[in-house]
Amino acid sequence: EPEVTQTPSHQVTQMGQEVILRCVPISNHLYFYWYRQILGQKVEFLVSFYNNEISEKSEIFDDQFSVERPDGSNFTLKIRSTKLEDSAMYFCASTREREQFFGPGTRLTVL
Amino acid sequence: AQTVTQSQPEMSVQEAETVTLSCTYDTSENNYYLFWYKQPPSRQMILVIRQEAYKQQNATENRFSVNFQKAAKSFSLKISDSQLGDTAMYFCAFLYTGTASKLTFGTGTRLQVTL
Repeated sequence: EPEVTQTPSHQVTQMGQEVILRCVPISNHLYFYWYRQILGQKVEFLVSFYNNEISEKSEIFDDQFSVERPDGSNFTLKIRSTKLEDSAMYFCASTREREQFFGPGTRLTVL
Repeated sequence: AQTVTQSQPEMSVQEAETVTLSCTYDTSENNYYLFWYKQPPSRQMILVIRQEAYKQQNATENRFSVNFQKAAKSFSLKISDSQLGDTAMYFCAFLYTGTASKLTFGTGTRLQVTL
């Protein structure tokens, strides 16, 4: 059964460094998402992406964040200059219609 | 904007017993979907069950069923014959049927299944 994959599973970085989180959505899906979950809190929407552009973004998704689909396969989330409060699980999801399929997540730790 | 409320931060149930997790939501939309996701300690998000708002019949998936009350904006999850593997965080989520719509999650209920 096709699934969403994410790499790396765990990323440790120093404050102020750039990180890129990678996702490979399910191949025939059209809509892509990033969500964030700070430890012990609920899952929060960051951004949705369709037809090679952002459809919607939350107030969390400020100028430090960017997304792209560079090669028609990968879907990446870049954080330009990480802050301590960016430490969280980051989930990628994709969908063709309604049900969103989640990847296993990337645990980002900012020191 | 949609909001999802889960008023039970933690619940406990004995193995083989039945437990019900509560969820209420607030929306002005008429067409939407509701979901329950399970998050085990691995933190993977696993879809448990979904309900289309236009369907009056409550969804069921094996031991999992929902009680969907559209007028009351209530969407509870019932787990029958609880198993140790059901121990996890459970999140209720709302999805508007618009294009590229985002999921709105509740704060979760931590369920512990005991022997």
